[in-house]
Amino acid sequence: EVQLVESGGGLVQPGGSLRLSCAASGFTFSAYWMSWVRQAPGKGLEWVANIKHDGSEKYYVDSVKGRFTISRDNAKNSLYLQMNSLRVEDTAVYFCARIGGSGSFAYWGQGTLVTVSS
Amino acid sequence: DIQMTQSPSSLSASVGDSLTITCRASQSISNFLSWYQQKPGKAPELLIYAASSLQSGVPSRFSGSGSGTDFTLTISSLQPEDFATYHCQQSYGAPWTFGPGTNVEIK
Repeated sequence: EVQLVESGGGLVQPGGSLRLSCAASGFTFSAYWMSWVRQAPGKGLEWVANIKHDGSEKYYVDSVKGRFTISRDNAKNSLYLQMNSLRVEDTAVYFCARIGGSGSFAYWGQGTLVTVSS
Repeated sequence: DIQMTQSPSSLSASVGDSLTITCRASQSISNFLSWYQQKPGKAPELLIYAASSLQSGVPSRFSGSGSGTDFTLTISSLQPEDFATYHCQQSYGAPWTFGPGTNVEIK
């Protein structure tokens, strides 16, 4: 059974940093592209970043470029999102997801809440 | 960026009804369109990918169609567990974008 479990969320002040983790199990992690997707409270879904199975390619939504870094450790079956220079508008539940056919998000974690507030 | 719109934004329906949700892209996205179901406080779940391919384990009452700019998600014979929010998402052009969602409520 595919499982994705996020951790690392919490309350942080504007300008601060946070590192999210996603532990993957139940599939060959190193064979799949992975993503982070976020959802602000009461709002829609927003794709944040993708990373290729070997980490050689990374893509970001413009609003986080230069501030967020997606990475992975295939030996540890783990996905990460380093978030720096956080803004109030980054407040959201952050989901990790495994990319499936035709660029779909085939499997999702339960999400971790990031709150940016003073 | 490719903008995704959905209609209606919300609807009320009864168990056993058939319903259709529409998703429109601001430019052609071929068939790079997925549909998700999300219940309150939960992660989304993939229903349909490549516009019309049913994700493994998803009931056959869900179906998708369309290509280019116009797409539909149809739920035949609505079940109690189908009351949720439905999102479409395009993966044709970066950044990948979602529609605003359609909330399906019990009448």
